[in-house]
Amino acid sequence: AQSVAQPEDQVNVAEGNPLTVKCTYSVSGNPYLFWYVQYPNRGLQFLLKYITGDNLVKGSYGFEAEFNKSQTSFHLKKPSALVSDSALYFCAVRDTIYAGNMLTFGGGTRLMVKP
Amino acid sequence: AAGVIQSPRHLIKEKRETATLKCYPISRHDTVYWYQQGPGQDPQFLISFYEKMQSDKGSIPDRFSAQQFSDYHSELNMSSLELGDSALYFCASSIKPGGWTEAFFGQGTRLTVV
Repeated sequence: AQSVAQPEDQVNVAEGNPLTVKCTYSVSGNPYLFWYVQYPNRGLQFLLKYITGDNLVKGSYGFEAEFNKSQTSFHLKKPSALVSDSALYFCAVRDTIYAGNMLTFGGGTRLMVKP
Repeated sequence: AAGVIQSPRHLIKEKRETATLKCYPISRHDTVYWYQQGPGQDPQFLISFYEKMQSDKGSIPDRFSAQQFSDYHSELNMSSLELGDSALYFCASSIKPGGWTEAFFGQGTRLTVV
């Protein structure tokens, strides 16, 4: 079984400061990891993914995430937050052992960036 | 390029009625996924299709059914609607069901059951 945990319901950060949104996962095999962002009344927008290779993955809008196998984590980061980054962020995982295609999402973390 | 298109965007139904949600994937995408997102909840996987065949089944109620057609669009049919079915229903598409491909989501259909 695969699962994802996002331990923080909300993260508050001042504009211009670095941000981190945490994600940990559990899979039977190796993980494919994804970050999605959701703005109010909108669909999920893909930000970035980790499949294999370099542990630091760069994605859209200046976001990046670091895969840490020993800590089973895939935290989302951005060096300098913008007010427009305020949204709901979901971490998701697929298990490479499990032959299915479903994404399992974490509970989401609301990012609030204040001017 | 056009993204995943879902229709309708909003739907209001009464209890025990039926509803049909439609999803048009991105061009050349052959895999479609359906997710349900309740208020304040994370998206829950319902069902997926690859090349018009069901490929995975999640927490889809027996009252719901879905299919993928020859043009790869998909429809989610919901019968005997209950108040608890009120949610945002997302469709996503990808190229092949390989785990490494990201899924692109539509804007969702907001279903309200009254």
